[in-house]
Amino acid sequence: QKEVEQNSGPLSVPEGAIASLNCTYSDRVSQSFFWYRQYSGKSPELIMSIYSNGDKEDGRFTAQLNKASQYVSLLIRDSQPSDSATYLCAPSTNTGNQFYFGTGTSLTVIP
Amino acid sequence: DAGITQSPRHKVTETGTPVTLRCHQTENHRYMYWYRQDPGHGLRLIHYSYGVKDTDKGEVSDGYSVSRSKTEDFLLTLESATSSQTSVYFCAISEQGAFGELFFGEGSRLTVL
Repeated sequence: QKEVEQNSGPLSVPEGAIASLNCTYSDRVSQSFFWYRQYSGKSPELIMSIYSNGDKEDGRFTAQLNKASQYVSLLIRDSQPSDSATYLCAPSTNTGNQFYFGTGTSLTVIP
Repeated sequence: DAGITQSPRHKVTETGTPVTLRCHQTENHRYMYWYRQDPGHGLRLIHYSYGVKDTDKGEVSDGYSVSRSKTEDFLLTLESATSSQTSVYFCAISEQGAFGELFFGEGSRLTVL
């Protein structure tokens, strides 16, 4: 059973602060890692993907991957109220081309 | 937006009745997935397909079957619905499988009374 662990939150940060979301995974052969954002009542949408160890930046978002520690994180700089959502971590494995999702971290950005 | 349509979007049914959810894509993506989402469990994979007539089970496949007779359509069937299958069901597609992005449909909310 592949497991993905995320802090369920809720995580609250003031507007303009940095939000830090963490994820650990159990499948050592996972090669691709994705962060999805899901607004309440909506479907998930991709915000970041990362495939190699280190950092990847895209605008206000930075994904960090450490395969040795089986850890992936997402930093959101200059958090905005519109960032309030649930963030889902999804490692994938090419064994069956499957994606496994964490239960998500609920983020609230307080104006 | 990726062309994914789920139908029906909402359905209320009774225990023991068969239910079929349809996912239709216009992107010609090879991979299609059915997930269910429940509070406290996140998204869990039910079944997925890697081509026409090629399907495999996910982590919560008991009580569900799927079929894919055309690239664009992936059907999820509950042969005899139970209350534990009350959930929101999401279809997703991917062009590159595990190396690419998942695009999700809008979801189908199923209530089994």
